[in-house]
Amino acid sequence: GQQVMQIPQYQHVQEGEDFTTYCNSSTTLSNIQWYKQRPGGHPVFLIQLVKSGEVKKQKRLTFQFGEAKKNSSLHITATQTTDVGTYFCAGLKTTDSWGKLQFGAGTQVVVTP
Amino acid sequence: NAGVTQTPKFQVLKTGQSMTLQCAQDMNHEYMSWYRQDPGMGLRLIHYSVGAGITDQGEVPNGYNVSRSTTEDFPLRLLSAAPSQTSVYFCASSYSGASPLHFGNGTRLTVT
Repeated sequence: GQQVMQIPQYQHVQEGEDFTTYCNSSTTLSNIQWYKQRPGGHPVFLIQLVKSGEVKKQKRLTFQFGEAKKNSSLHITATQTTDVGTYFCAGLKTTDSWGKLQFGAGTQVVVTP
Repeated sequence: NAGVTQTPKFQVLKTGQSMTLQCAQDMNHEYMSWYRQDPGMGLRLIHYSVGAGITDQGEVPNGYNVSRSTTEDFPLRLLSAAPSQTSVYFCASSYSGASPLHFGNGTRLTVT
């Protein structure tokens, strides 16, 4: 089953609003990556976090890695229609070998103008 | 620089047929992997490879075979297709096992 849990599964946002999607693991992660997949497209890498408590920003997107390295969040401010898509987190457990990145189920974002 | 190339884009198979999904990358990446994507399930790892001649199983390997004879190519074989294998398949490569993944455009497979 899914070992990296992502919530919510679905997010309906009015244009201009903020929202946050969360990613949780039951075990400690070496790193966490975030991807965005537009409808009909393939996942595209957004960011990677490796340090406990790390915060990174990309324009209106803020990514955070928890102190215990078991959870992460993506916060989008002033949502635009270009933010439509599914956002995935993917974690590498410290107990797993390189290459076994595990994806969450994703948060599908719909933006209403 | 084409990145990761997957063929075919679409495929329809009958139950019991076999086929190979092709994946090639031109970035000289050591790590390659296959994922399947089903609604509400995210991306699930099928098989991965850390270099030519080395492969390992992921989360959902049953019904699939892989080999890695060159750095560039990582084909995925379905031995006897089943309706449960209807899915979108993505191949990905990365510089190292913890590096960002570069995905191909995907293969949409339907098994009837």
